[in-house]
Amino acid sequence: KAGVTQTPRYLIKTRGQQVTLSCSPISGHRSVSWYQQTPGQGLQFLFEYFSETQRNKGNFPGRFSGRQFSNSRSEMNVSTLELGDSALYLCASSLQGLPNTEAFFGQGTRLTVV
Amino acid sequence: KQEVTQIPAALSVPEGENLVLNCSFTDSAIYNLQWFRQDPGKGLTSLLLIQSSQREQTSGRLNASLDKSSGRSTLYIAASQPGDSATYLCAVIRQSGTSYGKLTFGQGTILTVHP
Repeated sequence: KAGVTQTPRYLIKTRGQQVTLSCSPISGHRSVSWYQQTPGQGLQFLFEYFSETQRNKGNFPGRFSGRQFSNSRSEMNVSTLELGDSALYLCASSLQGLPNTEAFFGQGTRLTVV
Repeated sequence: KQEVTQIPAALSVPEGENLVLNCSFTDSAIYNLQWFRQDPGKGLTSLLLIQSSQREQTSGRLNASLDKSSGRSTLYIAASQPGDSATYLCAVIRQSGTSYGKLTFGQGTILTVHP
């Protein structure tokens, strides 16, 4: 059974550009959550999608957005990149969505903004 | 606001030792607690999930306990091995209408097991 797949694994972007990250959940999982991990702030929740609907959103500026497709794959977009957006972005999938089921994480996308 | 604290921040032990990692949370109204490990530059691997109604879970050499009333969880690793070296994270989901998908993480314990 394939795990959670995130693409690309690494990205280097310039300030002001935008970026799109992709996450394919485990087959059959309908919930996808996104997290940002930095050395200073640790893991912070960005948003969660379930059956193409955003059910929850963390405290991030509107430059961070996401969506989920009918096949449960999800994308997150960051516009007008800032140096502080450099981080490891992780997505997690779960069968019916937290809190009732276990979360499984992908390997992450390492974004570097220069 | 839920806050999760992990103690110690770092731990270095010789191979074969039994060890305990601690996790505390400020709001005891949680749905469940999950322990993860993270290898450098990698994603998170789920180790154990404890539902709020449970007291403990076991998987191989790992045992996690949960005391909701005191806001504490411990992860016990028996007979540690160098391959156990990683960062260990605990995360909780708060009982709230806005909990969907939102794990609140501690800062992690960096474990080094030397041969």
